[in-house]
Amino acid sequence: QVQVQESGPGLVKPSKTLSLTCTVSGASVSSPYYYWNWIRQTPGKGLEWIGYISYTGNTNYNASLKGRVTISLGTSRDQLSLSLTSVTAADTAVYYCAAYNDFFASWGQGRLVTVSS
Amino acid sequence: QAVLTQPSSLSASPGASASLTCTLRSGIDVGTHKIYWYQQRPGSPPHFLLRYKSDSDDLRGSGVPSRFSGSKDASANAGILIISGLQSEDEADYYCMIWHSNTVIFGGGTKLTVL
Repeated sequence: QVQVQESGPGLVKPSKTLSLTCTVSGASVSSPYYYWNWIRQTPGKGLEWIGYISYTGNTNYNASLKGRVTISLGTSRDQLSLSLTSVTAADTAVYYCAAYNDFFASWGQGRLVTVSS
Repeated sequence: QAVLTQPSSLSASPGASASLTCTLRSGIDVGTHKIYWYQQRPGSPPHFLLRYKSDSDDLRGSGVPSRFSGSKDASANAGILIISGLQSEDEADYYCMIWHSNTVIFGGGTKLTVL
């Protein structure tokens, strides 16, 4: 059973870059069976899909993030990362990593990231 | 207008059935979409319940009881999650989801209260 876990800073200053890592166990990020996703949740906007990366490195992003987002595979076989630039208070959310295989099969516990000076 | 619209809250009694609706924006045909349903309890991430496109194309998550089922109302352009024999543990937030234009779209969620 694949498991994922988010890690990274819980506080980011406005206009800076938010960076999170997702560590995968029970599978490899090079597995062809999964798409590796980032999803965020805010009290006001609910769940918002950020994007995914496939085992080949192909990516697909939510257009609403207007080119600020990058998802990449880590240098190790079991990690991927999220980068969101030029953050504002509106980017304050719980960020989830999720493995997709016909549905979002495995979610991390989430990482609360607050954007504040 | 949001792509997916869910009522913000719903209350039902233990043992009763609840129908949670997910209405697709006009112009997006429910008949051509798979509707995914996720349950989220406080302090936990969402958990996959089921996917429904038709009676011959549906999928229930591992360990999800059969009292959770999916349906559609074509006249209302809506997907429906039906929970029968409500239990206190069913009290949670429920989100619908679709793939549309190669993008994942979530509904705003329905808070189900069992009382």
